[in-house]
Amino acid sequence: DQQVKQNSPSLSVQEGRISILNCDYTNSMFDYFLWYKKYPAEGPTFLISISSIKDKNEDGRFTVFLNKSAKHLSLHIVPSQPGDSAVYFCAAATQGAQKLVFGQGTRLTINP
Amino acid sequence: GAVVSQHPSRVICKSGTSVKIECRSLDFQATTMFWYRQFPKQSLMLMATSNEGSKATYEQGVEKDKFLINHASLTLSTLTVTSAHPEDSSFYICSATGLAGGQETQYFGPGTRLLVL
Repeated sequence: DQQVKQNSPSLSVQEGRISILNCDYTNSMFDYFLWYKKYPAEGPTFLISISSIKDKNEDGRFTVFLNKSAKHLSLHIVPSQPGDSAVYFCAAATQGAQKLVFGQGTRLTINP
Repeated sequence: GAVVSQHPSRVICKSGTSVKIECRSLDFQATTMFWYRQFPKQSLMLMATSNEGSKATYEQGVEKDKFLINHASLTLSTLTVTSAHPEDSSFYICSATGLAGGQETQYFGPGTRLLVL
């Protein structure tokens, strides 16, 4: 039972354009969502998070949108840079950042 | 952000031996740490939650006698893979909960690649 789904295994975007990564969840008890960036053979790096009381959180080039009714969140990166090329995981949790449930990841490639 | 370290980064061992992996929170205290494993091209799967001073809580399907977890202090948790076999070969990652902008966030270590021959 995949509670957190990232349906796009890969995404290719031109440098300077907007990257939009999507994530869907099924458990309505999730109240905290996070996005992580991961390079091969490294641990995930925290990017941005959002709690269920908000519908948007912005940090520099990264913005996360949460649509609770649709159980959907997205990560927007603008402008996209070559260094953004990595695998992006969304994660969800109940009661803060305890016991994260991860999606399958989306490999983002930024083309020059 | 908070820093979490893991040691070793890479280990190769013979089948039947035990391997210990350390996870440290370097600039903050973590009452709770988590252990994940990741198979190639798959997501991170939570193995267990490690609580300082008490027994770890294991996820369904994870053998507690095979994956021994000790959380002896607020900055150190260890995972010991006992009697390792080739199917235990994986990427093991720990995380610790810290504060980011007033909100709790999990920070991950760099991971440990285990290869059992």
